[in-house]
Amino acid sequence: QITLKESGPTLVKPTQTLTLTCTFSGFSLSISGVGVGWIRQPPGKALEWLALIFWDDDKRYSPSLKSRLTITKDTSKNQVVLTMANMDPVDTATYYCVHRHPDTSDAFDMWGQGTMVTVSS
Amino acid sequence: QSVLTQPPSVSGAPGQRVTISCTGSSSNIGAGYDVHWYQQLPGTAPKLLIFGNSNRPSGVPDRFSGSKSGTSATLAITGLQAEDEADYYCQSYDSSLSGSIFGGGTKLTVL
Repeated sequence: QITLKESGPTLVKPTQTLTLTCTFSGFSLSISGVGVGWIRQPPGKALEWLALIFWDDDKRYSPSLKSRLTITKDTSKNQVVLTMANMDPVDTATYYCVHRHPDTSDAFDMWGQGTMVTVSS
Repeated sequence: QSVLTQPPSVSGAPGQRVTISCTGSSSNIGAGYDVHWYQQLPGTAPKLLIFGNSNRPSGVPDRFSGSKSGTSATLAITGLQAEDEADYYCQSYDSSLSGSIFGGGTKLTVL
């Protein structure tokens, strides 16, 4: 059974760097085709894909946020970390960690419960 | 403004059939990239409903179906039930953006 859980601060100040950790179980990020990503959703708004890291350490980022994002993995700890620099109030959102279905073109078949991050001074 | 265009809302009575469209362009759906659909019930995380244009994950009722043609995709729900009231999102890959894209979401209301 695949599970993912996000953790991190619920409140960050403008200009600070956000660090979110996804701790997962039920799969290994060292197996071919596997990927873990991040998606966010501002209150009342649509989903926005942020980043994706693959079993071979290949990384993809949203072009509009690429300069601010870093995604890394720790296979031994079953964790993926996302950092987002220079946070702004418009970054207030629920951030989801997701598992990429290995046999698809980036379908996300399992989601964490999400973590709400508020950016405010 | 989302790269994939969905109607903001659709509605239908219990038992009826509704469809939700997802319109893209030549750099995403029209380029042959798969479309996936998600259902988000109020206050919960999205759930994968359809992957690879028309495939249902285990446990998803066959009342839900997906199709793709040209630069668009469609989610169809038959035998509408009150529990289907949710937000629905389409997703694909865009070659010009080199990443995943989502539609703006469609709110389904069961009358």
